[in-house]
Amino acid sequence: EAQVTQNPRYLITVTGKKLTVTCSQNMNHEYMSWYRQDPGLGLRQIYYSMNVEVTDKGDVPEGYKVSRKEKRNFPLILESPSPNQTSLYFCASSFGASSTDTQYFGPGTRLTVL
Amino acid sequence: RKEVEQDPGPFNVPEGATVAFNCTYSNSASQSFFWYRQDCRKEPKLLMSVYSSGNEDGRFTAQLNRASQYISLLIRDSKLSDSATYLCVVNGRGDYKLSFGAGTTVTVRA
Repeated sequence: EAQVTQNPRYLITVTGKKLTVTCSQNMNHEYMSWYRQDPGLGLRQIYYSMNVEVTDKGDVPEGYKVSRKEKRNFPLILESPSPNQTSLYFCASSFGASSTDTQYFGPGTRLTVL
Repeated sequence: RKEVEQDPGPFNVPEGATVAFNCTYSNSASQSFFWYRQDCRKEPKLLMSVYSSGNEDGRFTAQLNRASQYISLLIRDSKLSDSATYLCVVNGRGDYKLSFGAGTTVTVRA
């Protein structure tokens, strides 16, 4: 089954404790991205990757890191989480980088930083 | 000004009713437009792309008005299963950057 998976689905952590949210897709997609969704703000892009070893900042990259060592994986790293990073996070992938390509989203990771 | 703005609703309609709502976008150079559907706390899924000539998919009709920079979604013969949040998505500053609206919530009641 073609899908995007994220882990963990739910996470409660404390300020400053490094964490990684994994994202993996099995569709051989080139383009992957991370979004956060907050009430009233819609999805905002954090980082995106157009291919292996190619990443770039989205609209709200501060406090986040990513890597793309393999085509299928695109982990999101929070080196020192803070309460303002409490949010619902979605990973997405698409065949190409064109905005005409359908975005496939993972199931989401609900993060709470205390 | 937000790149994409939507009326948050909620639009509460009875089964069988028609409901329509718009989304405005600020970048006049935008080329690609979509409606995504998001069920409560779940991932967004593509509902339909929006073409310049307008397009229809079953009970759903999408229209694009470039002059006034808005897109619309109309749902005919509403079903209970249409209850969801509908996200307007527009390509933003670059061809590969998408801008999402905050969503319009539709609730269909029996």
